[in-house]
This record gives sequence, C-alpha cells and structure tokens, in this order.
Amino acid sequence: KQEVTQIPAALSVPEGENLVLNCSFTDSAIYNLQWFRQDPGKGLTSLLLIQSSQREQTSGRLNASLDKSSGRSTLYIAASQPGDSATYLCAVSGNTGKLIFGQGTTLQVKP
Amino acid sequence: GAGVSQSPSNKVTEKGKDVELRCDPISGHTALYWYRQRLGQGLEFLIYFQGNSAPDKSGLPSDRFSAERTGESVSTLTIQRTQQEDSAVYLCASSPHYSGGAYNEQFFGPGTRLTVL
Repeated sequence: KQEVTQIPAALSVPEGENLVLNCSFTDSAIYNLQWFRQDPGKGLTSLLLIQSSQREQTSGRLNASLDKSSGRSTLYIAASQPGDSATYLCAVSGNTGKLIFGQGTTLQVKP
Repeated sequence: GAGVSQSPSNKVTEKGKDVELRCDPISGHTALYWYRQRLGQGLEFLIYFQGNSAPDKSGLPSDRFSAERTGESVSTLTIQRTQQEDSAVYLCASSPHYSGGAYNEQFFGPGTRLTVL
C-alpha cells in the first residue's frame, strides 16, 4: 500500500529565505508526483507535476525534484514571501491515476 | 477558462438525512475524481470516473456513499443516512484524457464543506 510522508509538518521562516520541503513515498512504482498548495478554507492549487520519467520541474521561484528509485521528492522555494504562507501537499499517482496524499507541510513566512 | 466548480460550497444537515454534492469539471476533461478531507486529516480518495469506463469505487468508505457521472460532464456524490463522521470537505478534481502512459495534472474545485449535526 502506497504511503506518502511529508517532513516537516510545520515550518516558520523569515521572509527572503530559501527553503526545502520534503516528500517521501514507499512504493516507487508511480506514474507522476504532484505538488499543491492549499490556503485555509480553500481548495487545492496545482503547483508542479513531475512525470515518472522526469527528474525536476520548475515554475518561477519553485523547483521540484523527483528521485523515483529512492522514493523522494523535494520542493524548493526561493526567496520566500509572506504570500507563500500556506499548506503544501505532495501527492503521487499509480496506475489508476488516483492521488495518494501526504499530510502536508504548513509554511509560515514572516515579514 | 472556467475551472472546476462545486456546489453547494457549504452544507449543514442533520444526522440521518441524505445529501447530494455536485461537481462540474473543466470542459473536455474526461477524468473526474472525488476526494474527502476530514478535519486534521489528509485527503482520501473516494471514487474515479474515466470516460465511459466503469468507475473505480475502491475508496468509498461505506455503501451509504455513491456517485454518478453523466457522460463526461457533471458528477453527483450522494451520501445517504449521513453520520457525524461524514463531516468533511469534499473535493472534486478533473484532468484531461489519459494518454501515452501518463496521467495528467489534476485540477481541483473549491470543495463542499459538509457538517452533519
């Protein structure tokens, strides 16, 4: 059974810092990995999708890497801003497309 | 263009009543997913529709839960005889056609917050 773990559960940093969020999964037979952000009381916003054959994806200040064989992904956020404060979720999909989610990392960026 | 929409945004019901939650996927998206997020817990997969294939119902927690989808359009999630443990945010997502061994990015709606008193 696929399990997804995110570390740390919560993170507080001053504005401007670069930071890394970690995601690990137990079954390396994934089709893709997707990072989302969730703001309080809101739905999920897709940030990055990495196909299983890819090693990384970049969007603006965000960079996500995937090491499928070791079951790990990282989300790197450069020059963090208060507007980045949210919960970040990692999810993997197998051969059915349904997503298995981690518990999330709650990020607070202080001005 | 329009994203995934869900209605109602909030629903308060009494224990034992039936509820229907609606999801309008992005036009042209053949895959549709329902997930649930209970307070303090992660998102759980409930059910998945892909085109005209039989739905994957493996995540439905009990036979009180059912879902329908008409073609590649609207989906309705029905919970019969609601219980307090059904209180959660119910999220719907859609994605484009599965092709070439690659599942596509899922786009989520804002969710329906269900409270069972």
